Parts: sequence; C-alpha cells; structure tokens
Amino acid sequence: DAKTTQPTSMDCAEGRAANLPCNHSTISGNEYVYWYRQIHSQGPQYIIHGLKNNETNEMASLIITEDRKSSTLILPHATLRDTAVYYCIVRVAGTGNQFYFGTGTSLTVIP
Amino acid sequence: NAGVTQTPKFRILKIGQSMTLQCTQDMNHNYMYWYRQDPGMGLKLIYYSVGAGITDKGEVPNGYNVSRSTTEDFPLRLELAAPSQTSVYFCASSTTDRGGGYEQYFGPGTRLTVT
Repeated sequence: DAKTTQPTSMDCAEGRAANLPCNHSTISGNEYVYWYRQIHSQGPQYIIHGLKNNETNEMASLIITEDRKSSTLILPHATLRDTAVYYCIVRVAGTGNQFYFGTGTSLTVIP
Repeated sequence: NAGVTQTPKFRILKIGQSMTLQCTQDMNHNYMYWYRQDPGMGLKLIYYSVGAGITDKGEVPNGYNVSRSTTEDFPLRLELAAPSQTSVYFCASSTTDRGGGYEQYFGPGTRLTVT
C-alpha cells in the first residue's frame, strides 16, 4: 500500500472551513483514499473515502487531484468537537481489508 | 445495535502473565481486526480475520495469538506479557460497502499496562 504524508498539526478557527492536505504521490490506480479521525484516544471513526472523483457526505468533502497524487479533506464549518487526529490512508480494495495508519494530522479547532 | 464492544476497558498485568482481550460485533461483519496504538503513535495492525476460521498476521503479530470460531467474536490472546505490550488495543470490523471500499468500525479500546 502507498505511503501518505500529512502535516503534523494544524489549527482552524471555529466556524471556518478546515482543509487537511494529504500527499500520496506513489498511489496506484486501484488504491482508494480513506480518511478517519480519532478523538482523544477513542476508537478511530470513518469519515469518507474516494477513488478518483470528489466525494461529499454529511461530515466532510474529499477533493482528489486529477493525477491522484494528493487529496484534501474539507470540514466545511469546523466545531470544537472536530478537534481530533485525522488519518489519511490509501489502500487497495480486497487486500484483506488492512488499513495502515500513520501518525496523522492533529487538528485543533480554536474558539 | 451495540456495534463493536471490547472488554475489559483497562487492565494491569505483571510481566509473564497471560490474558485474553475480548471483542464482539453484532453487525454480522465478515472482517475483523486487532490494532495496537502506542502513545503518540498511529495504529498498527496485529492480526485480522476475513471470516470464521480464517486469520492472518498483520504488521506486529509477535507475542499475540487470535482465533475466530464465530462471526461475532475475535479474541486476542497475550502470552507471557512484556512491558513492550503496554498499549491501547482496538478491535474493528468491516464489510464490503459500495464502490469497493471498506469502512471499518472500531471499538472503544482496551488500555493495557504491563509492569
């Protein structure tokens, strides 16, 4: 599975959009991009995933560049409850479903 | 729907002791996983299972054993506990979702200290 690179930490003002970048320059054509978050030592929580097209759900939007070498997770209106570590993961569907988590981005939403 | 449940929540073991961490899911998921998370680090996969009777090693399997006799349960066994196994252990489960991706559902974790 391809490795990912994320900034160690980011801040965002409450109510503003939080844009979390992820670099996955060695991604293969059949690898999906997943985002999870972990709030203060709880179990990780699924946010969104995509292959090529941009995706949106009730939690966030995922923007994947045309060459698929990077992506951005967008939390449109960050709240204090969005303070968490955000993990960007790329993996191939069907490989036993393993996810390889890195150290992620620690997002702090500031009042 | 309770989702993924783990017991115990906390445990302190002495070096050399053994224990079993329990994990149960009620979503009828085929796939189940065990991860460990050391302080300040990301999660590392210990073992996973793609169905009852089938298990396989992840990144860091040494010192652990698993079994999967039912769809619902996936216990993790620690034999001869060592301080290096001090960690938070997360169990997860998943099934196939649309588009070929797989969403994993995580339990609340077991905090284990080996002294």
